[in-house]
Order: sequence, then structure tokens, then C-alpha cells
Amino acid sequence: GAGVSQTPSNKVTEKGKYVELRCDPISGHTALYWYRQSLGQGPEFLIYFQGTGAADDSGLPNDRFFAVRPEGSVSTLKIQRTERGDSAVYLCASSLGEPANYGYTFGSGTRLTVV
Amino acid sequence: GIQVEQSPPDLILQEGANSTLRCNFSDSVNNLQWFHQNPWGQLINLFYIPSGTKQNGRLSATTVATERYSLLYISSSQTTDSGVYFCAAMTYTGGFKTIFGAGTRLFVKA
Repeated sequence: GAGVSQTPSNKVTEKGKYVELRCDPISGHTALYWYRQSLGQGPEFLIYFQGTGAADDSGLPNDRFFAVRPEGSVSTLKIQRTERGDSAVYLCASSLGEPANYGYTFGSGTRLTVV
Repeated sequence: GIQVEQSPPDLILQEGANSTLRCNFSDSVNNLQWFHQNPWGQLINLFYIPSGTKQNGRLSATTVATERYSLLYISSSQTTDSGVYFCAAMTYTGGFKTIFGAGTRLFVKA
């Protein structure tokens, strides 16, 4: 597609529920990144995919968070047993290749609210 | 890990004024980017600039990698320039890490 698409744009869920957030990167972009942004702060790195594999998942805060990219394009971020502290905007970005060599294009984000 | 500091944290300009935003980073970097986050939350990539100088219209950026800083220049500011400007530094040391600064919040008055 023309840009990075994230769905849903907004998600409200109850504490303890499971949620899935979807990211559709720019066609042909091999690298995909997930970030989380809390109010008034800069984006915080979660995970980076190169193709189908997670090249670096060191930013995932705990084992309730998991992400997949089974065919090397669309990615899903999964959060189990959601907590109120998980409320944030979840941003996805993609780039043409290795992160050292290319700039990122971000999606509009998914605003997650855990009540 | 790498630390990224941006200054000033907040900036108010009269339309038409020029400004310089600064980003300091604590370690050598493989990638340095500047982003603008508009009031609707969309992050727009302004520059990919690990070193040297680039210009795009009224905006330009310079990164001096050896001295570990980058500058973003905004000339003849417009109200549409309002928002938050982030720099993001990436290093491969000990794995892939991209760290965003806390941002500079810019408001341009008409």
C-alpha cells in the first residue's frame, strides 16, 4: 500500500482481556518495527522484524507481549492479560531494509485504552 | 545504553521566525533520524541523517557524528510547523537499539 496501515485506530478493552493490533507495512519493506508511546513521551522500542523473523525483541516489556510476522509482510502485536499500564499508542513503522541504512515510515498508530 | 537528549523541551515562535533544535547523543550511532509528530499524532520522517547536512525546503539538518550531536533548523516558521520534533538514534552495539529523545514541543503563533 501507499503507507503503513494500522488497525484498529482505537481499541478499548477491559483489564485482563487479550488484544491484537495489526500493522500492514509499505509493500516491499522488509523491516518492520513496533513502538509504544505514552502521553508526553517519545516512542519506546518494542520489537524489530527483518523479514519473518524477530531480529530484536529486547524492548518487549514482559512475556504478556508477543508479535508475529508469519509471511514477512503483515504483523500482529498480541497482548495477553492486559493491564491499565498497557494503555498507550502503539506505533508501527517499516523501512526498505536494514535500519542503519534507511529511514522509517510510521503508521497512524493504535490507541489502546485498558479500563 | 545510548542516551538521547533534546533541547529546548518547549519552544514558542512567532510565525516567520527561525529556530534551531538540538539533539545530543551519548554514543556513536549508525542512524540518526528527525521526526515531526503533528497535533493528530502522526509521526512524519523529516530526515535520515547519520552524518553531514541535508535540506528540504524550509527545513535543514546537520549531524556531526564525531561530536555526537545533530541540529534541526526551521526557517520562516509557519503555524503548520507546530507539533513535537523527535530525534531518534540507532546503534548496533549490543544489538539493534533505536532510542528516541523526549522531543521538543514547538508552537508557532500566527
